[in-house]
Amino acid sequence: NFMLTQPHSVSESPGKTVTISCTRSSGSIASNYVQWYQQRPGSSPTIVIYEDDQRPSGVPDRFSGSIDTSSNSASLTISGLKTEDEADYYCQSYDPWNPVVFGGGTKLTVL
Amino acid sequence: EVQLVESGGGLVQPGGSLRLSCAASTFTFSNFEMIWVRQAPGKGLEWVSYISGSGGAVLYSDSVKGRFTISRDNARKSLYLQINSLRADDTAVYYCARQFRNNNGYYFFDYWGQGTLVTVSS
Repeated sequence: NFMLTQPHSVSESPGKTVTISCTRSSGSIASNYVQWYQQRPGSSPTIVIYEDDQRPSGVPDRFSGSIDTSSNSASLTISGLKTEDEADYYCQSYDPWNPVVFGGGTKLTVL
Repeated sequence: EVQLVESGGGLVQPGGSLRLSCAASTFTFSNFEMIWVRQAPGKGLEWVSYISGSGGAVLYSDSVKGRFTISRDNARKSLYLQINSLRADDTAVYYCARQFRNNNGYYFFDYWGQGTLVTVSS
């Protein structure tokens, strides 16, 4: 089984840009797509990025995703931070033997 | 708008059982695979189980295999999770989610319910 490792927390000021990483422990990050979910306090998760870098309709273009094979990681970048972006963010991927793997989650504080 | 509404959670003693339900609306339920995900208090998301659109294929995480059973009733547009032999570490909010699969076979979870809390305690 592979794991997805995220930083426990990140913080940044409103209007700035923040990047959250998600490192795959084994197997290539490029082998299977990565998704990102946002979970605001007291709410259910919602998807913000799918298939590494695709934004669902309704998600602001301030949210972007990418992968880096050199570090075997995926990243979620949020630009022009707003207080409403304060939430937990989870990366998720899979492989033929593990249908769903979530990262441990990153708490984003916008202060 | 797609809606998923879970129910059936509650306080149960260790070793007990519960049946969780997830009622779907405003989409063709039988066309979509579904999953259950749980979140222990203050912890992250954990995938629990998967079921195909027809109900003919199911998968479980190792932590629940043999104790949990996923099923669905497409006529009633409902998803279920029978949870038996409950342990304290099963305490969590249980979410149902719709699995969207595109034409290339890749998938993600595009709609989630509000969750139902299961508390295992004596």
